[in-house]
Amino acid sequence: ELKVEQNPLFLSMQEGKNYTIYCNYSTTSDRLYWYRQDPGKSLESLFVLLSNGAVKQEGRLMASLDTKARLSTLHITAAVHDLSATYFCAVEVGDYKLSFGAGTTVTVRA
Amino acid sequence: DGGITQSPKYLFRKEGQNVTLSCEQNLNHDAMYWYRQDPGQGLRLIYYSQIVNDFQKGDIAEGYSVSREKKESFPLTVTSAQKNPTAFYLCASRRAGGITHEQYFGPGTRLTVT
Repeated sequence: ELKVEQNPLFLSMQEGKNYTIYCNYSTTSDRLYWYRQDPGKSLESLFVLLSNGAVKQEGRLMASLDTKARLSTLHITAAVHDLSATYFCAVEVGDYKLSFGAGTTVTVRA
Repeated sequence: DGGITQSPKYLFRKEGQNVTLSCEQNLNHDAMYWYRQDPGQGLRLIYYSQIVNDFQKGDIAEGYSVSREKKESFPLTVTSAQKNPTAFYLCASRRAGGITHEQYFGPGTRLTVT
C-alpha cells in the first residue's frame, strides 16, 4: 500500500524567514503534484513535477523531486502572510490516480 | 468560462437518507474523480471514471455509488450504508492524454448528516 507522508503537519512561520516542507512516498512514481488549500476552499494546483530532478518555481515557492529518494520538497522563501494555507503533496499511482499526503498547515506570523 | 461546478455548496441530511451530490464540468475532460476530505486529513479517493459509462472504485467506495452517463457529469450518491458521511466532498477532472495528468478540482460540497 502506498504511503505518502508529509512533514511537518503544522508549520508556524515567521515573516521573512525560509522554510521547507517534505513529502516522502513509499513506492515508485514519476509524477508528483503540490496543491494549496485555503480554509473551507477547494484545492489549487501549484506545481506538477514530472521527472527525477525536476524543479519548479513560482514566486516564493520552489518545489523539487528526487524520485530515487522518493522525496519532494516545497521550499518557501521569505514567508509572507499570504502564504498561510494548507499544502498537500500528491503522488500519481496506477491508472492516473492520486494518493495524497495529510497536508501541512502553514501559519505565517509577523 | 471553463470549469467544474459542484452543487449544492452545503447540504444537510438526516441519518438514513440517501443524498446525491452534483458534479459538472465543461472542460471537455474525459476522466472525473470523487474525493472525500475529513478535518485535518488529506483527500481519499471514492470513485473515478476514465470514460463515459465506466467507473471504478477507489479506496473508500463502500456506502457510495456513482454514474457516468454523460461526459460532463459525474454525480455521487451517498447512501444510508455510509457510516460516517459527514465530510467535505471534492470532485475533480482530468484531460486524457497530455503530459501532466493534472487533476482540476471543483469548489466542493460540505455534507452534514445528523
